[in-house]
Amino acid sequence: GAVVSQHPSRVICKSGTSVKIECRSLDFQATTMFWYRQFPKQSLMLMATSNEGSKATYEQGVEKDKFLINHASLTLSTLTVTSAHPEDSSFYICSATPFEQHTQYFGPGTRLTVL
Amino acid sequence: GENVEQHPSTLSVQEGDSAVIKCTYSDSASNYFPWYKQELGKGPQLIIDIRSNVGEKKDQRIAVTLNKTAKHFSLHITETQPEDSAVYFCAARYNNAGNMLTFGGGTRLMVKP
Repeated sequence: GAVVSQHPSRVICKSGTSVKIECRSLDFQATTMFWYRQFPKQSLMLMATSNEGSKATYEQGVEKDKFLINHASLTLSTLTVTSAHPEDSSFYICSATPFEQHTQYFGPGTRLTVL
Repeated sequence: GENVEQHPSTLSVQEGDSAVIKCTYSDSASNYFPWYKQELGKGPQLIIDIRSNVGEKKDQRIAVTLNKTAKHFSLHITETQPEDSAVYFCAARYNNAGNMLTFGGGTRLMVKP
């Protein structure tokens, strides 16, 4: 149980285009979903927290107009990187927390490369 | 806010030996401490967690200990195997932060056959 999927697993795009990443909780409903960014050999950096039906809460320094988060249902959250640039290249990971639990279950991550 | 320090940043052991990774946290209100294992190119996977009302928890070759007074918790892996090689992250949940976690910097564990 507690499986989280992400799609796509890998994406390469041209500079200036937008990329959408989906995060789904497959066998549970998620109170909250989180989006992280991870640079090589570094820890996870929280970008934003999203709750179904409400606006996401962004961490300091994360541009909300650049990284659009939509939490449309209790099992789906999407992250859209708008007008992507090479510096947005990174490993993006989502996580989800089931109702009445503290545990975050992570997705497999999405490797974004912007040319 | 919470601050989590993790040591060591890298750890190399021989197969069959034990490995210990230590974390300290700053806020005494933190009450939940998970450990994650991340293999190259993959998302973190929860391997064990402990709540603040428990001092120790064990699951086969993996154990976690918590010292609330000293505000530190440790991951113990016994009889290490090459497949234990990965990056391990500790985390702490601050009591009033919803389900947000603060992560340590990670430990790269290498188990030599």
